Amino acid sequence: DQQVKQNSPSLSVQEGRISILNCDYTNSMFDYFLWYKKYPAEGPTFLISISSIKDKNEDGRFTVFLNKSAKHLSLHIVPSQPGDSAVYFCAASETNAGKSTFGDGTTLTVKP
Amino acid sequence: DAGVIQSPRHEVTEMGQEVTLRCKPISGHNSLFWYRQTMMRGLELLIYFNNNVPIDDSGMPEDRFSAKMPNASFSTLKIQPSEPRDSAVYFCASTRTENGYTFGSGTRLTVV
Repeated sequence: DQQVKQNSPSLSVQEGRISILNCDYTNSMFDYFLWYKKYPAEGPTFLISISSIKDKNEDGRFTVFLNKSAKHLSLHIVPSQPGDSAVYFCAASETNAGKSTFGDGTTLTVKP
Repeated sequence: DAGVIQSPRHEVTEMGQEVTLRCKPISGHNSLFWYRQTMMRGLELLIYFNNNVPIDDSGMPEDRFSAKMPNASFSTLKIQPSEPRDSAVYFCASTRTENGYTFGSGTRLTVV
C-alpha cells in the first residue's frame, strides 16, 4: 500500500514556462508535506514544505499547494530553468519532525 | 557546516561478507534516519532515531540488518551477512524539527 504517490514518472517543460509536479496521498493522518530535489549521485535536498493548516506556501520561484479534501498537493516552479532539471520527491509525515514517507519521484527536464 | 557525512561513498563486497555503513549527522540535529533507495521500492525508511534512541525500526528488512547510534554524532548500519538483493543506495539524514531532512550523499552498496 503506497501512501504517497507521484503518478507521473517524468515531466518535460520548456525553459521559462511553468512546471507543475503532482502528488497524492492516502493517509489522512499526514499533516506535514515536503518536496525534495535530487541530482544524480547526491542525496535529496529539501526544497519547500507546507503544514496542513495552510493551503499554499511560496518560496521564490517555488510554490506548494495543498488540497486536503482531495489529499493532493502540487509543486509549481515558475519560471522553470534548466538547472531545475532533477528528480523531485514528494514526502509526507504525521508531525513535522517524525518519519517521512516518500513518493517514487518525478524526473523533471527543463529544455533550454 | 559540513552537512551529513556518510562513508564510504561506494562499497563493493562479496555475498556473505559483513558491511558497515557510517553516518555523522549535523551537530544539533536530534533525529537521524536511514533510508534505502532501489529502483523497485523507491526511498524506503529503514530505521530512525530520536535523541540516539531507536524509535521505529519496522522498515528494517531482516535480522541481517542492524543499526546503532552510540552517541549524537555517529550512527552505523550493519548488514551481516550481505546478499546481492541488498544492493542499493543507502542514505542517512538528520533533522532538528522543522524544514525537512538534510541528507548525506549516500553509500552505493553493491553485493556480488
